Amino acid sequence: GAVVSQHPSRVICKSGTSVKIECRSLDFQATTMFWYRQFPKQSLMLMATSNEGSKATYEQGVEKDKFLINHASLTLSTLTVTSAHPEDSSFYICSAREEGNSHEQYFGPGTRLTVT
Amino acid sequence: GQSLEQPSEVTAVEGAIVQINCTYQTSGFYGLSWYQQHDGGAPTFLSYNGLDGLEETGRFSSFLSRSDSYGYLLLQELQMKDSASYFCAVDNYGQNFVFGPGTRLSVLP
Repeated sequence: GAVVSQHPSRVICKSGTSVKIECRSLDFQATTMFWYRQFPKQSLMLMATSNEGSKATYEQGVEKDKFLINHASLTLSTLTVTSAHPEDSSFYICSAREEGNSHEQYFGPGTRLTVT
Repeated sequence: GQSLEQPSEVTAVEGAIVQINCTYQTSGFYGLSWYQQHDGGAPTFLSYNGLDGLEETGRFSSFLSRSDSYGYLLLQELQMKDSASYFCAVDNYGQNFVFGPGTRLSVLP
C-alpha cells in the first residue's frame, strides 16, 4: 500500500525560531500533497494544497508567509513554520494523493509541534 | 461556505451495529470519504462514495444520497479496536478536502 512518512514526529522549539517538517511519499508519486493542522479533540483543518512544481494554494485565514510550503519533487513536500509562537503548537499532518487516484488521501503519521 | 455535521459522540457495545451520519453543505462536491483516526495517530481511509448508494468494504459500509446532501458510515460486528474518531470528508472536485468535525465512537465490552 501507499506509504507517506513525516519527519520529525515530534519537535519542541523556542518561540521565534523556525521549524521545517518534511512529508515524503515512499512508494508512489504524489502530484498533490495537503497540509493539515489538528488541535486536540478537533477535526483536521486544511491549511494548504501543494502541487509539484507550482506555488501552494492556501486556505482562507492561513498566512502564507508564516507557513512556507515547498513541493520540490513528486515525492517530497516541506512545511516550514517561521517565527513560531506558542499558539502554533499543534499536530501537523500531511497527506498525499497518488497520480491518477483522486479519491483517496494517504496520510503521514503527523508531527507534533510544541513551541515554548 | 462549506460545512459538515456529524454527531460528536456515539457509544455502542461489542458486536453491535452503529451508524454515523454526515450531512454537508459545500460549494462543490465530487464525493464523500470516511476516515478513521485513533488517538495520537493519523487518519486512515475507510471508504469513498462518488455516486448514490451503498459501498461495502468488509465490516464497514458507506452510503451517499447526493440529493439529500447526506451520507453515513455503517460499522457492523463492532470490536473494541473500532473505538476511534470517524470523520467524513467532502472531496471538492479533487482540489481540496473539507473534513467534518468528527464522531468519537466508544465501543464497550
